Amino acid sequence: GDSVTQMEGPVTLSEEAFLTINCTYTATGYPSLFWYVQYPGEGLQLLLKATKADDKGSNKGFEATYRKETTSFHLEKGSVQVSDSAVYFCALAPGSARQLTFGSGTQLTVLP
Amino acid sequence: DSGVTQTPKHLITATGQRVTLRCSPRSGDLSVYWYQQSLDQGLQFLIQYYNGEERAKGNILERFSAQQFPDLHSELNLSSLELGDSALYFCASSVGAGRGQDNYGYTFGSGTRLTVV
Repeated sequence: GDSVTQMEGPVTLSEEAFLTINCTYTATGYPSLFWYVQYPGEGLQLLLKATKADDKGSNKGFEATYRKETTSFHLEKGSVQVSDSAVYFCALAPGSARQLTFGSGTQLTVLP
Repeated sequence: DSGVTQTPKHLITATGQRVTLRCSPRSGDLSVYWYQQSLDQGLQFLIQYYNGEERAKGNILERFSAQQFPDLHSELNLSSLELGDSALYFCASSVGAGRGQDNYGYTFGSGTRLTVV
């Protein structure tokens, strides 16, 4: 079945450091890929998405590129802020379906 | 406020009991999804409804059931509760039922934290 593998956390960075959170997936067909962010005590918020190979999703300085050849969708940000501290989830939606398969989540803490 | 409303926010109940979680989708959204977030299983899809009809089923236990009403709100019923059912239950909504109808991901509520003691 479909699955998403995420980089194990927790990840701790200093403010203005470069961030990469790795995500690889296994799916049949052509899934849509997503990054969601969960702040403490809140629900998940869509951070960015990509619906086909080579698409780049971007939002709030975060970027991820849909790489079909490596089945990856790594999340990057050039300069993190304390306010980026949260749990980040990589997810896929297979084919024409809408239900999401999530990775295990990566806790990010950014120190001032 | 995401526009998806879940009640109650917290629920504490005893083993063997039955509870009902409620979700009101964002205005205009026809699909409702239920997810369970637990420490050992992570985030798992339970079930999807679209305009009152069950559309997809995931890892939902037979002790759990759901429905979507004509006003589009949804309820998740959990019965014969066990300690292992303690988790955060999220509802999400989207406009359509399939990818072709809505490419923007969907909107999550803030969840109901269920504690079974």
